Amino acid sequence: GQQLNQSPQSMFIQEGEDVSMNCTSSSIFNTWLWYKQDPGEGPVLLIALYKAGELTSNGRLTAQFGITRKDSFLNISASIPSDVGIYFCAGQSKANSKLTFGKGITLSVRP
Amino acid sequence: NAGVMQNPRHLVRRRGQEARLRCSPMKGHSHVYWYRQLPEEGLKFMVYLQKENIIDESGMPKERFSAEFPKEGPSILRIQQVVRGDSAAYFCASSPSGGQGQPQHFGDGTRLSIL
Repeated sequence: GQQLNQSPQSMFIQEGEDVSMNCTSSSIFNTWLWYKQDPGEGPVLLIALYKAGELTSNGRLTAQFGITRKDSFLNISASIPSDVGIYFCAGQSKANSKLTFGKGITLSVRP
Repeated sequence: NAGVMQNPRHLVRRRGQEARLRCSPMKGHSHVYWYRQLPEEGLKFMVYLQKENIIDESGMPKERFSAEFPKEGPSILRIQQVVRGDSAAYFCASSPSGGQGQPQHFGDGTRLSIL
């Protein structure tokens, strides 16, 4: 089945630093989404991307939909302590509505 | 605006019992999706429903699991004769309609523990 790869599993950065996360797939997706999950809560949608090559920003977050439609990245600039959490990428194909998720990257921010 | 509401937030069952998980979509959303999350894993798709219709159940285990989204009331995910391996967080998401361009918004999940 389709799989999304996110690595590394954990990232540790200093407050104020920028961080970039990548997500790759062996299959093509028509929509890429990035979610953040805090402990004990559900995933919260950060950014949705609908066209290959699209670059979209949401405050300090910027995400891009790869030209090949097999990858996406998320960049967080000037990190703050509340950026701590698990970041998931998810892909949606043209054939159906279900989302395929990566395993997530746990981000820690040192004050 | 209320988001996706799931209840209960925590559910404890003994092996062999039934578990019923409820999900009320966001106002104006008529499409519901159920996902399961094991510890340190991503979410795995289970089933996609519209009112009174199952659209895609390709992620549902063949036995003991069923889902419905009646004309009135919340969507229900039912697990019969639960086993230890059913312990997980179950998330519901909703969207205004299906397909591309309709981001799915998630509830806070039901954490199911099997004794």
